[in-house]
Amino acid sequence: GAGVSQSPSNKVTEKGKDVELRCDPISGHTALYWYRQSLGQGLEFLIYFQGNSAPDKSGLPSDRFSAERTGGSVSTLTIQRTQQEDSAVYLCASSLTRATEAFFGQGTRLTVV
Amino acid sequence: DQQVKQNSPSLSVQEGRISILNCDYTNSMFDYFLWYKKYPAEGPTFLISISSIKDKNEDGRFTVFLNKSAKHLSLHIVPSQPGDSAVYFCAASEAGGGADGLTFGKGTHLIIQP
Repeated sequence: GAGVSQSPSNKVTEKGKDVELRCDPISGHTALYWYRQSLGQGLEFLIYFQGNSAPDKSGLPSDRFSAERTGGSVSTLTIQRTQQEDSAVYLCASSLTRATEAFFGQGTRLTVV
Repeated sequence: DQQVKQNSPSLSVQEGRISILNCDYTNSMFDYFLWYKKYPAEGPTFLISISSIKDKNEDGRFTVFLNKSAKHLSLHIVPSQPGDSAVYFCAASEAGGGADGLTFGKGTHLIIQP
């Protein structure tokens, strides 16, 4: 499809396990964002990639969180040693530039039990 | 410290009336503002945007107003329809600089009552 694709759509994992969330942005979009939305909360910025520049990691909540973007396209968000407070919907978005409208994927609902 | 604030967690409006959603920001470097709409179990979808060189942008039933001196913007929906019931997020960015890309507010849940 032409939109932002995220996988898996749902993930249930045991506390302490590592998880990987994938995002396929819209082709040609140079900016890619990861956000998360916890229950009853707004969108929390996690990390931002712009072209080949070093990513802005200022929103990552701990060093258990990391993300990479290979070849300027697909991105993977990795959470190591998951905790229950990591349970949230993780949203990926891409845009043509940093200041144009971003298009979101449907999100990955992560539940840590 | 929240740079984009939506102080009303929820808003209830009668169908056919005007819905007004408010957003305040603190970062004077923001120069591009967007509204997103989110239905349950879906990702946010872009609704309307405004650049800081304008004070109003209109698209059908949706109008966004920007008051730079007050660091305030609002989204007007006229007339409100049942399908408008959703969570609305205000977002801002610094097109000419800054690091975070888009900064979002916590959202306002709009409920359109028949």
